[in-house]
Amino acid sequence: ETGVTQTPRHLVMGMTNKKSLKCEQHLGHNAMYWYKQSAKKPLELMFVYNFKEQTENNSVPSRFSPECPNSSHLFLHLHTLQPEDSALYLCASSQDLTSNNEQFFGPGTRLTVL
Amino acid sequence: AQKITQTQPGMFVQEKEAVTLDCTYDTSDQSYGLFWYKQPSSGEMIFLIYQGSYDEQNATEGRYSLNFQKARKSANLVISASHLGDSAMYFCAMRDWNSGGSNYKLTFGKGTLLTVNP
Repeated sequence: ETGVTQTPRHLVMGMTNKKSLKCEQHLGHNAMYWYKQSAKKPLELMFVYNFKEQTENNSVPSRFSPECPNSSHLFLHLHTLQPEDSALYLCASSQDLTSNNEQFFGPGTRLTVL
Repeated sequence: AQKITQTQPGMFVQEKEAVTLDCTYDTSDQSYGLFWYKQPSSGEMIFLIYQGSYDEQNATEGRYSLNFQKARKSANLVISASHLGDSAMYFCAMRDWNSGGSNYKLTFGKGTLLTVNP
């Protein structure tokens, strides 16, 4: 496999459920990101990891908990979500955090919270 | 104030014609990068083209070119010879230093929905 993969592609969960989103990159990159894309809003950066260390938490509620066990894998653990958390969650990676490196995105997980 | 402004929520173009998607940005940094991404209905964001703030020539990648006007802070995407597969959302993004943070941050505009008509 190449590029950035995300599983699952679609997820429906209740507000009391606990679930995890998974992202894997096969590009040898050192930086990974979680974004949230809601309808009619720009992409919102949630978390940034560089060499497995979290470098940014963009004021994300604690019901979203990221985990980066190594440079190739990134998880987003979800618990007690709200309906307004329904969105497309995109994972991305880049070689590093310098300004000229493009980010490569996965296909996203379409999350619906009932 | 918005850092990235895409004033066209939607655009229509006839197949085989060229189209320009507008993007203006706001930054006080001297060093920054500008990106365009395409997002088809499948959801994946596809990198199209990059322009560095110090690049003197406009970036080109196949049918994509970036009309970079630094003084006007604009970075419009030009797609030549459109085809039906170009129908998608297009996002302009800028990477500059994250004020108060520790690294460069990529900020996206709201996007433009391009529809190519046969």
